[in-house]
Amino acid sequence: AQTVTQSQPEMSVQEAETVTLSCTYDTSESDYYLFWYKQPPSRQMILVIRQEAYKQQNATENRFSVNFQKAAKSFSLKISDSQLGDAAMYFCAYRSVTGANSKLTFGKGITLSVRP
Amino acid sequence: GAGVSQSPSNKVTEKGKDVELRCDPISGHTALYWYRQSLGQGLEFLIYFQGNSAPDKSGLPSDRFSAERTGGSVSTLTIQRTQQEDSAVYLCASSTRQGSTETQYFGPGTRLLVL
Repeated sequence: AQTVTQSQPEMSVQEAETVTLSCTYDTSESDYYLFWYKQPPSRQMILVIRQEAYKQQNATENRFSVNFQKAAKSFSLKISDSQLGDAAMYFCAYRSVTGANSKLTFGKGITLSVRP
Repeated sequence: GAGVSQSPSNKVTEKGKDVELRCDPISGHTALYWYRQSLGQGLEFLIYFQGNSAPDKSGLPSDRFSAERTGGSVSTLTIQRTQQEDSAVYLCASSTRQGSTETQYFGPGTRLLVL
């Protein structure tokens, strides 16, 4: 079974600075998808970014980018030019590409606070 | 169009009572998932529906939990004889099965508190 680990329960960043959130995972599969989701106090899970394991190029979405290290099974999220609205819980998630069930396996999340 | 909706937003119940949680997926989405988010824990998968296929119930924690999806649309998660450890946020997600490009869209969740 796949597992996702987020070892940092909390992080803080100064507004306009850059922060990196860590995530590691364990799998025996060679092809899969990785995601970062944001959960603000409203509880609505919002997809931030997605990475396909077969792609060597790191995914980017505006101020958000990932550092995907497949051999190390590491998938960190970098937030540049942090904004107050980035304050939320962030979850790293894994999805297999095999099998009929596309369920997501989540880490325990990290709470990010942004200091004005 | 409208996103995934869930009701009620919050539910307080007494231990031993049954509860029903409802999920309205995005129109046209054939896949529907239920997840549970407990305090201090990540999200854990509960059950998955895909079209008219038999649901994948592998994540249900006990036989007190059940779910159905009527007409391939609305889904109801039922917890019988609730226990305090059932207190959590229950999240529903839906998606179109577009193969590798599938993206799950989540609802706002139902926060359940069992006293």
